[in-house]
Amino acid sequence: SAVISQKPSRDICQRGTSLTIQCQVDSQVTMMFWYRQQPGQSLTLIATANQGSEATYESGFVIDKFPISRPNLTFSTLTVSNMSPEDSSIYLCSAGQGNQPQHFGDGTRLSIL
Amino acid sequence: KNQVEQSPQSLIILEGKNCTLQCNYTVSPFSNLRWYKQDTGRGPVSLTIMTFSENTKSNGRYTATLDADTKQSSLHITASQLSDSASYICVVTLTTDSWGKLQFGAGTQVVVTP
Repeated sequence: SAVISQKPSRDICQRGTSLTIQCQVDSQVTMMFWYRQQPGQSLTLIATANQGSEATYESGFVIDKFPISRPNLTFSTLTVSNMSPEDSSIYLCSAGQGNQPQHFGDGTRLSIL
Repeated sequence: KNQVEQSPQSLIILEGKNCTLQCNYTVSPFSNLRWYKQDTGRGPVSLTIMTFSENTKSNGRYTATLDADTKQSSLHITASQLSDSASYICVVTLTTDSWGKLQFGAGTQVVVTP
């Protein structure tokens, strides 16, 4: 099964700044996903990232706020731009598709002051 | 409205006891149903995955059942251990996309006490 590493594991940021979260997979994968998880709530899909194409965003999420890169089959980044306290959350990266289990990173815990 | 509802929201059980978590879903069309375990501060880890034609799937002390007719699933934990303390998340896969979009429940928080 794929091993997914995310960094940073946590950060405290100032309002109005941006943070880029990195996600590294130990094997080549077609599909990578970015999720947000707020305390006590479900995971919410932000976007799907395929290598070589633009990310596909879910309703309520836009590229200007959450730009994503997918330069190769083992790596992706998510940037949280112009952060506000409402962006405080856990951001998770995952990989997998179809009937295969999705494997998740341990998440990035983001707090905005 | 969430299409995957889990109950109870939380429960506390004594070490060594059994417990059953419930998941009701309205997701359609349905591809498969998964149960994940999420330890505090960690990402979710897959426990079981069942297609619509499967009724039960086991992974050690974890047994998942699925009734596709009533759109209900359960996760049974046998002889609970302290390490079972975690959030258990029911996830249903839609078939509308080739890559299988996941629909997550809010999870059941399980606390196992000595």
